[in-house]
Amino acid sequence: GAGVSQSPSNKVTEKGKDVELRCDPISGHTALYWYRQSLGQGLEFLIYFQGNSAPDKSGLPSDRFSAERTGGSVSTLTIQRTQQEDSAVYLCASSLKGKGTDTQYFGPGTRLTVL
Amino acid sequence: GESVGLHLPTLSVQEGDNSIINCAYSNSASDYFIWYKQESGKGPQFIIDIRSNMDKRQGQRVTVLLNKTVKHLSLQIAATQPGDSAVYFCAEKSGANNLFFGTGTRLTVIP
Repeated sequence: GAGVSQSPSNKVTEKGKDVELRCDPISGHTALYWYRQSLGQGLEFLIYFQGNSAPDKSGLPSDRFSAERTGGSVSTLTIQRTQQEDSAVYLCASSLKGKGTDTQYFGPGTRLTVL
Repeated sequence: GESVGLHLPTLSVQEGDNSIINCAYSNSASDYFIWYKQESGKGPQFIIDIRSNMDKRQGQRVTVLLNKTVKHLSLQIAATQPGDSAVYFCAEKSGANNLFFGTGTRLTVIP
């Protein structure tokens, strides 16, 4: 079946502009995660959604970052007033229940470049 | 805070040889560990996982070893193939819902 999809695959923006990144999780998966991967680095957790529960926003680096998940499915990560240090690959993952040892399935990521 | 690190940032092996990728973790409360493979331009792909009540788990051509005494995790790939060339990440979970990832090891398979 279809995996996690993300759009756009690449985004180039100017410093100070806002960007929106989209994630379509695997159908039926109740948990959704956003991570950031800077060049040559590991993945940095940003935010986690599970069903109708309040999201875990503990990984968001600043108040310029926000995310929402509509209808328990598609999620949008928004970065306001982008800075050059926001340049990274933003990865989305989903899992069936989000608990315990559920496997997280990753999308291909969105490469964000802030000029 | 937690840290997940790797002993070697790069590893080159001859095709057909076995590969061993190592990972150290610092949180003794971590109870679940996963290895991911990330090819260029793609998201991480699940390879194998292990719970803290185990010390070894085998998959197809891959084996994960967990040594809780020294907080060390390793991934062994048997008969390494060119398609195994990628960056390998270990990740740990310790009660929270998110994973903590290491910085990764780049495996290059030499034909």
